[in-house]
Amino acid sequence: AQSVTQLGSHVSVSEGALVLLRCNYSSSVPPYLFWYVQYPNQGLQLLLKYTTGATLVKGINGFEAEFKKSETSFHLTKPSAHMSDAAEYFCAVGGQAGTALIFGKGTTLSVSS
Amino acid sequence: DVKVTQSSRYLVKRTGEKVFLECVQDMDHENMFWYRQDPGLGLRLIYFSYDVKMKEKGDIPEGYSVSREKKERFSLILESASTNQTSMYLCASSDLNYGYTFGSGTRLTVV
Repeated sequence: AQSVTQLGSHVSVSEGALVLLRCNYSSSVPPYLFWYVQYPNQGLQLLLKYTTGATLVKGINGFEAEFKKSETSFHLTKPSAHMSDAAEYFCAVGGQAGTALIFGKGTTLSVSS
Repeated sequence: DVKVTQSSRYLVKRTGEKVFLECVQDMDHENMFWYRQDPGLGLRLIYFSYDVKMKEKGDIPEGYSVSREKKERFSLILESASTNQTSMYLCASSDLNYGYTFGSGTRLTVV
């Protein structure tokens, strides 16, 4: 069985500050991990994914995440927040390729000027 | 550009009605999924399908059924809609290389 826990349903940062969104997973098989972003009234957009290989994954819009097996974590970071980063972010875990993704409950990121 | 198309963006139905939510993908993907999204609960898996005429229950299948008669189409059926099924419904398809594509969603209101 797989599960995802996103720590913090709401994160607020100032423009230019570091963004850190936390995700911990549980998986009985080697996990495949994803971060998605959802802007208001829009669909899900893939930010980045980890399948195999390098544990530091770079995504779109300056985001990156690091897979840490020992900590069962896949935290999302961005060095400098921009107002346009305000959105809801979802972490997801999958097992075999093509199987259903299991999502966390989401973290809403607010960015203030 | 690859697409997952959900037939309705907004839908209002009455309690007790039979409701069909349609999803079509043009990527020849084997796998298709239905999720519902609710504030504070994230996306929860309702049903999924790995092949035509095959279906598997997800985490919250109660009150729902699905149909997959053709590879490109995956329908979600609410046999008798209830107010607690008011939600955003998202369809997705995937290849075997972790390429997932989501539809824009159908916001269903049951009154």
